[in-house]
Amino acid sequence: GAGVSQTPSNKVTEKGKYVELRCDPISGHTALYWYRQSLGQGPEFLIYFQGTGAADDSGLPNDRFFAVRPEGSVSTLKIQRTERGDSAVYLCASSQNGVGGGRAFFGQGTRLTVV
Amino acid sequence: KQEVTQIPAALSVPEGENLVLNCSFTDSAIYNLQWFRQDPGKGLTSLLLIQSSQREQTSGRLNASLDKSSGRSTLYIAASQPGDSATYLCAIGGAYNQGGKLIFGQGTELSVKP
Repeated sequence: GAGVSQTPSNKVTEKGKYVELRCDPISGHTALYWYRQSLGQGPEFLIYFQGTGAADDSGLPNDRFFAVRPEGSVSTLKIQRTERGDSAVYLCASSQNGVGGGRAFFGQGTRLTVV
Repeated sequence: KQEVTQIPAALSVPEGENLVLNCSFTDSAIYNLQWFRQDPGKGLTSLLLIQSSQREQTSGRLNASLDKSSGRSTLYIAASQPGDSATYLCAIGGAYNQGGKLIFGQGTELSVKP
């Protein structure tokens, strides 16, 4: 596609529920990243995929968070047993090869609200 | 551990003024540095990318400089316009073996008054 697409744009869920956030990167980009941004803060790294594999998942806060990219294109970020503290904007980005964080293109984000 | 700091957190200037946004980082072993713009409720748009071997990059009214040895970068905006109002974020791309992870500063919220 022309840009990075994230769905849904907004998600409201109840505490304890499971959510999935989807990212469709720019066609041909091998690197895909997930970030989380809280109000008034810069984005914080969660996980980085090179192709189908998670090359660096050191930013995932705990085992309730999981992400997949089974065919090396679309990625899904999954959050189990959501907590109010998970409320944030979840941003996805892709880049052509991911080396050293080469120019990254970001989606519009998914605003997750846990009530 | 790399830490990125942006000063000031917020800035308000009259239209037409030239201004400088600052970014500092603690570890000089960087691969590159990017400046992004973020409009309210939107994603990030990459403005300028400076490779570690470069000293500056220019695009239109924007000029970004990089001084690795002192751990600093500046974004210079010439002849500011109300349309420049947004949050500006700098981000460090780490050493080669750190892959694609970007470490962001907290951002500077810029308001340009007509």
